[in-house]
Amino acid sequence: AQTVTQSQPEMSVQEAETVTLSCTYDTSENNYYLFWYKQPPSRQMILVIRQEAYKQQNATENRFSVNFQKAAKSFSLKISDSQLGDTAMYFCAFVSFGNEKLTFGTGTRLTIIP
Amino acid sequence: DGGITQSPKYLFRKEGQNVTLSCEQNLNHDAMYWYRQDPGQGLRLIYYSQIVNDFQKGDIAEGYSVSREKKESFPLTVTSAQKNPTAFYLCASSTYRGGMDEQFFGPGTRLTVL
Repeated sequence: AQTVTQSQPEMSVQEAETVTLSCTYDTSENNYYLFWYKQPPSRQMILVIRQEAYKQQNATENRFSVNFQKAAKSFSLKISDSQLGDTAMYFCAFVSFGNEKLTFGTGTRLTIIP
Repeated sequence: DGGITQSPKYLFRKEGQNVTLSCEQNLNHDAMYWYRQDPGQGLRLIYYSQIVNDFQKGDIAEGYSVSREKKESFPLTVTSAQKNPTAFYLCASSTYRGGMDEQFFGPGTRLTVL
């Protein structure tokens, strides 16, 4: 069974700083997908970024980027120029190719300090 | 506007009662999912459906039931057999590619057992 580990339950940074959230996963599969989802105080989850394991290039979405290290089974999220609206719970998630079920980590609560 | 709606936002239940949580989407998505969220834990999959009139158990299906009679609707019933139903429930949908596609989430229902 796949597992996803987020070792940082809480983090806080000053506005405009850069922050990196960690995620590691365990799988014997070679083809899979990784996600970062954001859950703001409103509690409605939204996708931040998606990475396909067969792509070596790290995914980027505006201020959000990932550092995908397949051999190390690591998938960290970097938020640059952090903004107050980035305050949220962030969940890392994994799904193997052909599987219907996402496996989520326990989340990291990120607070951006003005 | 396309999206997912969940109702009610807050729900209170007496022990021994069944309650049904509503989930509706107008995104024309084939797949729909129900997750449970507890403090300090990630999202755990209760049930999912890839197509109308078909659904599968997730990781924590005991004490829950679902139906998928229409593409747009995927209601979840929390039965009296669920021993600890107090939680936050999230519904999601995606295009039919299993878990590899982005999942779009509703705003959630907070269920409290009195």
